[in-house]
Amino acid sequence: QQPVQSPQAVILREGEDAVINCSSSKALYSVHWYRQKHGEAPVFLMILLKGGEQKGHEKISASFNEKKQQSSLYLTASQLSYSGTYFCGTENRDDKIIFGKGTRLHILP
Amino acid sequence: DTGVSQDPRHKITKRGQNVTFRCDPISEHNRLYWYRQTLGQGPEFLTYFQNEAQLEKSRLLSDRFSAERPKGSFSTLEIQRTEQGDSAMYLCASSPPWGAPRNTEAFFGQGTRLTVV
Repeated sequence: QQPVQSPQAVILREGEDAVINCSSSKALYSVHWYRQKHGEAPVFLMILLKGGEQKGHEKISASFNEKKQQSSLYLTASQLSYSGTYFCGTENRDDKIIFGKGTRLHILP
Repeated sequence: DTGVSQDPRHKITKRGQNVTFRCDPISEHNRLYWYRQTLGQGPEFLTYFQNEAQLEKSRLLSDRFSAERPKGSFSTLEIQRTEQGDSAMYLCASSPPWGAPRNTEAFFGQGTRLTVV
């Protein structure tokens, strides 16, 4: 039931791109993406609703393929501030949100 | 402050003692979640309320854990007879009713860090 995230960790140089994937074995209503920095609470990035929509703001965007029950988070021209652990949370209709184990992203200057 | 607030932020307790944490969600949010997070792991689902009804409790939770949301507003999480393995960050999150247009994201509180010695 827990979504599977890949990769587990990514190391990038500032300005490089990254893709983080999230897949579920259950039919999904929505996918949530959060970023957490060490010692802080997870911070909401975006939510993708059933219907295959793609969202984004600035250099962070995401897609949701409901047929494949997969979502991907795209980070372009990464900045130092993007470092942290990224979690996807999957939600069935009127159900709880279950989080993956996270993808650790480290940006080098 | 209109965000999710948790109290206390830190708790150190001796093994065998009982502890209680409080979460005040965003006022218009009827859904409330408790998660536990250990170092290097994602938030692990503990339990979920819709208004005052506890809809689901993780099978991973022992009977020492109990949560309430008596009036559908704030919630408490109690751990009885704490063990060292209970040491973790306990996160509370709230979200609007399912179907609220484009606003079903969950907002997290800052968490309560529990250390059992």
